[in-house]
Amino acid sequence: EAGVVQSPRYKIIEKKQPVAFWCNPISGHNTLYWYRQNLGQGPELLIRYENEEAVDDSQLPKDRFSAERLKGVDSTLKIQPAELGDSAVYLCASSPTGSETQYFGPGTRLLVL
Amino acid sequence: GEDVEQSLFLSVREGDSSVINCTYTDSSSTYLYWYKQEPGAGLQLLTYIFSNMDMKQDQRLTVLLNKKDKHLSLRIADTQTGDSAIYFCAEATDKLIFGTGTRLQVFP
Repeated sequence: EAGVVQSPRYKIIEKKQPVAFWCNPISGHNTLYWYRQNLGQGPELLIRYENEEAVDDSQLPKDRFSAERLKGVDSTLKIQPAELGDSAVYLCASSPTGSETQYFGPGTRLLVL
Repeated sequence: GEDVEQSLFLSVREGDSSVINCTYTDSSSTYLYWYKQEPGAGLQLLTYIFSNMDMKQDQRLTVLLNKKDKHLSLRIADTQTGDSAIYFCAEATDKLIFGTGTRLQVFP
């Protein structure tokens, strides 16, 4: 069974530029999560989707961050414009309906210069 | 509020047992998890325990849960160099709350 796929694996951009991350969850997993992991920290939830509905986006900085999961499968997370403090690893995870166990992708490592 | 704490570092000799400790604050947690993160990689689910259990064993891994003290531990038997990584505990309430991670270093 394929795991959670994320791309790109690495991204370097200058501040004020836009950036987008893509996630393909495990097949059949209806719940999708985006996390941000700062250096030396554990992941922190940004947004959680149940199918195509964002059910928890309370930690998403809505002034510059947006996310979508139009068909309830793949998801994209966008930052516009990026700031220096956005440098982090952005992790996507998925879980089957009714399960709290989350399976993580390899992450996208973002460096904002 | 919700908070999960772990010690930052643990260093053990190859072949010895490792014990990684974690404390959490939310007594309504349903599941508690241990994840492993190797350099440049995502989080790999190692094991989890339901909150009404006090022990779970899975091959070299033993999880102990003391719900009264809100203390969780992960014991790795016969620790190998391939076990060197950062280990995160996480509590599940309405979302996963992660600790800051414990860096395990295994030396020969």
